[in-house]
Amino acid sequence: DAGVIQSPRHEVTEMGQEVTLRCKPISGHNSLFWYRQTMMRGLELLIYFNNNVPIDDSGMPEDRFSAKMPNASFSTLKIQPSEPRDSAVYFCASSLPGASYEQYFGPGTRLTVT
Amino acid sequence: AQSVTQLGSHVSVSEGALVLLRCNYSSSVPPYLFWYVQYPNQGLQLLLKYTSAATLVKGINGFEAEFKKSETSFHLTKPSAHMSDAAEYFCAVSDPGVSNKLIFGTGTLLAVQP
Repeated sequence: DAGVIQSPRHEVTEMGQEVTLRCKPISGHNSLFWYRQTMMRGLELLIYFNNNVPIDDSGMPEDRFSAKMPNASFSTLKIQPSEPRDSAVYFCASSLPGASYEQYFGPGTRLTVT
Repeated sequence: AQSVTQLGSHVSVSEGALVLLRCNYSSSVPPYLFWYVQYPNQGLQLLLKYTSAATLVKGINGFEAEFKKSETSFHLTKPSAHMSDAAEYFCAVSDPGVSNKLIFGTGTLLAVQP
């Protein structure tokens, strides 16, 4: 399997622009997680989905952030409008149903907002 | 609520020396426990996991961890450090039956000196 795929790997944008991060989970995995990692705040869970349904979005920082999972093989995390403080590495992870909860991480998207 | 504490944000060892990274969790029921490793500019990779089977768990790259219920600990060890072990290590815990999200510790950055 190719593992969790994220695109783009790097994104540089100007403040106020819309940013869309993409994730393809491992085939057959039914849970998908979006994380943000910064030096100051470490690894934070933003939102997760089970069977394409958002279960817990309490980690989403504010209304500028939104996430969707239209089908089992694709998810997006959108930031509109972006701000410099959104600069971070964003990870997507997926896990198997009924398994021991281990998550498989993608390589991440490094977002820089200038 | 579940929580996990990693003692020591930075640990430095000499090549060939014992590696000991500490992790304590809070849980009223036996959780599932994980160690992940993150190499520079990469996503998190599962090192090993405890899911209520053997208390001594062996993982990849010569690492192992022991689940000690009485101490609520899950420390990670490796008898002899290698330069390639330099990375950040995260302990994580889940609540089986509550949700399939993982609670991550703040991470320990391991440096290996020649």
